[in-house]
This record gives sequence, C-alpha cells and structure tokens, in this order.
Amino acid sequence: AQKVTQAQTEISVVEKEDVTLDCVYETRDTTYYLFWYKQPPSGELVFLIRRNSFDEQNEISGRYSWNFQKSTSSFNFTITASQVVDSAVYFCALMRDNTDKLIFGTGTRLQVFP
Amino acid sequence: GAVVSQHPSWVICKSGTSVKIECRSLDFQATTMFWYRQFPKQSLMLMATSNEGSKATYEQGVEKDKFLINHASLTLSTLTVTSAHPEDSSFYICSARDTSGRVPPDTQYFGPGTRLTVL
Repeated sequence: AQKVTQAQTEISVVEKEDVTLDCVYETRDTTYYLFWYKQPPSGELVFLIRRNSFDEQNEISGRYSWNFQKSTSSFNFTITASQVVDSAVYFCALMRDNTDKLIFGTGTRLQVFP
Repeated sequence: GAVVSQHPSWVICKSGTSVKIECRSLDFQATTMFWYRQFPKQSLMLMATSNEGSKATYEQGVEKDKFLINHASLTLSTLTVTSAHPEDSSFYICSARDTSGRVPPDTQYFGPGTRLTVL
C-alpha cells in the first residue's frame, strides 16, 4: 500500500529559526516520485519540488532544502531562517510510476511568529 | 509556473440545488485534470481524473452521478455537484498536468480552490 505520513500536525517557530518538516512514505515500488506543496491561507497549493526515487541528491533552493533518504523512506523539508510569509500548511505527496495519482500526507501547519 | 484558475472561488447554495465549478488551465493545454476534495484541516483526497474527450475516472467511494465531470476542451474541466446537501460542503480543488515539456509531465499545478457551502 502507498502511504505518506507527516507526523507533525502543527509547528510554531519564531522568525529566523530553522525548521524541519518531516515526511515518511511507504511504497513497494522501485520507481516513484515525491513532491512537496505549500498551501498558504488563500488555499492554493504551490508546487515546491519534485524528486524521483533514483535521485537521492539533496537539493537546496534559497532558504529551502530537501533531504531524501531512501534507507529511511524519508523526504524531509527544511526552511532556514524562517519568515512570517512561510506560514502555511505544507503537504508531502507520493506518486507511483505510470500513474497520475498523488497520495497526500495529512499536512503540517507551520506558523512563524514575528 | 503554469496557471490554473477556478470559478467561482466560493459559492453558497440551498440544499437540493446543483452547483457547477469550472477549472481552467490558462497558459497550457491539459489533457488530464484532477478534482480533489479537502475537508477543514485535512488532507486532499482525489475524487476523479478528468480526461479530455472521454469519461472521467472516479476513485472508489465517489458517486459519479453525484459529482458530474465534463472535460469538454483542452483547457476546461467542470465539476457539477448535483442535488447538493450540507455534507457536500467542502473545499474543492482542481489540478492539471502540464504536458508541454516545460516541466516533468507528472507535475500537477493546482487551482486556488472553490469553497462550497450548502445550507
């Protein structure tokens, strides 16, 4: 069965703190894709990153970085020097190869206080 | 990135009426669009896959006669909630795949969502 677990329901930090959002997935497939989306209060999901199962290189994009570890089936997301505008719900998602179906985790609500 | 719009952004209707929600891909053609439902503070659940020119594919447990999907063109899919009841109140979100080659074809871009409230 395919499953995505985001154990952290809510996280609160103060601006400029670093924060890591955890994502653990389950799949028996060898080829699959992992995604992170941001959902600000407005509701629209914003695509952040896509990673395929054969690419375990960590990625950095500005203040965002992602750590993909197949050995622990995790795809964690770190925001460095958080800002108030980072406040949102963040979803991790899994997609099997040759399908279009995104399987979402339950999301982590991040609140960044000034 | 690719832009997907939804209309209306919110709607309030009486129980028993039907409501149509539109999803448009604004700067790319989408042969496939998706409809999700999101309850407050919960995750997105895929309802159905909308295919241009053919019937939609519904997920298990989703009533196809209740949630009518039409994908009449490469840029427009509509979801009609028929005979809506209060339990249908939810946040409905569509997404579309950009298969133009600009991004990996499995990347989905999401619309801003439609909040439906049935009284």
